[in-house]
Amino acid sequence: NFMLTQPHSVSESPGKTVTISCTRSSGSIASNYVQWYQQRPGSSPTTVIYEDNQRPSGVPDRFSGSIDSSSNSASLTISGLKTEDEADYYCQSYDSSNHWVFGGGTKLTVL
Amino acid sequence: EVQLVQSGAEVKKPGESLKISCKGSGYSFTSYWIGWVRQMPGKGLEWMGIIYPGDSDTRYSPSFQGQVTISADKSISTAYLQWSSLKASDTAMYYCAIAAAGTWYFDLWGRGTLVTVSS
Repeated sequence: NFMLTQPHSVSESPGKTVTISCTRSSGSIASNYVQWYQQRPGSSPTTVIYEDNQRPSGVPDRFSGSIDSSSNSASLTISGLKTEDEADYYCQSYDSSNHWVFGGGTKLTVL
Repeated sequence: EVQLVQSGAEVKKPGESLKISCKGSGYSFTSYWIGWVRQMPGKGLEWMGIIYPGDSDTRYSPSFQGQVTISADKSISTAYLQWSSLKASDTAMYYCAIAAAGTWYFDLWGRGTLVTVSS
């Protein structure tokens, strides 16, 4: 099986742009979709990006996703940061046997 | 309204058995995968496994294979996660979540069931 590695934490100021990376350890990042979940303290996770770059209805277009085959990684970019974006963010993908994997999570601090 | 309602918090002793539940409503129960995700205190999300109630197809993470059992009763639109012998290290929040057939992301999550295992 493969692993997804994320930075433990990132921080940025309100109004700025931040990017969180998610690197796949083996196999191509492009071979299976990548999803991103937001988890605010004390709450269940919610989907902010699915299938690499799709936003569920209700998620602002400040959130965007992409993949980069050269670095075998996916990225979540949040522009125009707001204090309400402060949360833990998890990437997730799967393999051909329908086994899913989460990244270790990244704590975003908006200060 | 699509909902996943999880059973209430549990406090158990090591060695005891436990079965927690996740009841779906507002959608076609047999057309969505239901997954279970563990979150230990202060830690990240861990995918435990997933079941398709339509045909009971079940997949487990290698980390949880043999440690838990995932099942579903489509007659009452309820999925289950069970342990035969709990350990203190099973103390965690357990979330159920659904994914539409043919997709690989969770559309909706339950509120979680907190399981505490302590002597």
